[in-house]
Amino acid sequence: EAEVAQSPRYKITEKSQAVAFWCDPISGHATLYWYRQILGQGPELLVQFQDESVVDDSQLPKDRFSAERLKGVDSTLKIQPAELGDSAMYLCASSSSGSKGETQYFGPGTRLLVL
Amino acid sequence: KNEVEQSPQNLTAQEGEFITINCSYSVGISALHWLQQHPGGGIVSLFMLSSGKKKHGRLIATINIQEKHSSLHITASHPRDSAVYICAASRPRDTDKLIFGTGTRLQVFP
Repeated sequence: EAEVAQSPRYKITEKSQAVAFWCDPISGHATLYWYRQILGQGPELLVQFQDESVVDDSQLPKDRFSAERLKGVDSTLKIQPAELGDSAMYLCASSSSGSKGETQYFGPGTRLLVL
Repeated sequence: KNEVEQSPQNLTAQEGEFITINCSYSVGISALHWLQQHPGGGIVSLFMLSSGKKKHGRLIATINIQEKHSSLHITASHPRDSAVYICAASRPRDTDKLIFGTGTRLQVFP
């Protein structure tokens, strides 16, 4: 069964360092989402791509976060510089077309700890 | 106040018990999703429903549109059901965006 892949699974970094997370969605899925989930809370959408284009990054802290999906397939989320408050689980999800509330398929997540 | 609220926040049960998790929402929705998140972090979609009731194995999800309320039931609970259960709503105009509840942490003991 096709899955969303993410790496690394865990990342420990010091504040002010740069970190990057990678996501490979299910093959053929046009829509890709990056979420941040703080412990004890539900996921919060950071950025949504439709193919290679950003369709929603209204909640992305653009002073330190960036995301790209250059070829409309895999995606990278970067934080520079990392801050203590960025410690969270970063989840990637994909869906076929992003329409009509269809199912999003989630990856295993990257758990980030900023020291 | 969150647009999607769940109760209880934490739930413990003995194996075999019938479990109910509740979700209330304050916005108009096109669909209500139930998701399961295991300790490792990965999230699995359990149900997407816009009316009535759906059943899959020991899991049953119901929704009452008029009361803006949904429930997830687990019959004959098992320790492997231990996880965080999250409900999420998709809105009519932004059907691809999910508004998440904070989750219900379920622990089922043998």
